Amino acid sequence: GAVVSQHPSRVICKSGTSVKIECRSLDFQATTMFWYRQFPKKSLMLMATSNEGSKATYEQGVEKDKFLINHASLTLSTLTVTSAHPEDSSFYICSARTGGSETQYFGPGTRLLVL
Amino acid sequence: GENVEQHPSTLSVQEGDSAVIKCTYSDSASNYFPWYKQELGKRPQLIIDIRSNVGEKKDQRIAVTLNKTAKHFSLHITETQPEDSAVYFCAASPSYDKVIFGPGTSLSVIP
Repeated sequence: GAVVSQHPSRVICKSGTSVKIECRSLDFQATTMFWYRQFPKKSLMLMATSNEGSKATYEQGVEKDKFLINHASLTLSTLTVTSAHPEDSSFYICSARTGGSETQYFGPGTRLLVL
Repeated sequence: GENVEQHPSTLSVQEGDSAVIKCTYSDSASNYFPWYKQELGKRPQLIIDIRSNVGEKKDQRIAVTLNKTAKHFSLHITETQPEDSAVYFCAASPSYDKVIFGPGTSLSVIP
């Protein structure tokens, strides 16, 4: 149980385009989802926290207009990187958690390359 | 905001030896401390966690200790095996909706 999927697993796009990444909890209801960015051989940097039906809470330094997060249902959250630039290239990974539990279950991640 | 530091950044041990990874945190409001293991190319997996009302927790070969006064917590792996090789992340949670990760420790267990 507690499986989280992400789609796509990798994406290459041109500079200036937008990319949407989906995070799904497959066998549980995720009241909270987290979005992280991970640079090569680096830690997980929390970008934002989203609760189902509410606006996401962004960490300091993360542009909410650039990284649009939607958590419209208890099993799906999306991260849209708008007007992507090469510096947005990174590994984006989501995690999900049920209400009342602090354990986060991570997705497999999405590798984004912006040319 | 919360800041989590982790040492060492890399650690090599002989198979069968113990490995210790230490973390410090800055926000005294943090009350939940999970540890994650990330194997190469895979997603992080929770291996153990501890809450601030507990000083020590053990699960088979893995143990975690917490010193809330000093804002230190540590991961201890005994009888290490090659499959323990991975990157280990400590984390601290200053609120229910926030978990801040340390920079990670790359553990290599040499057969």
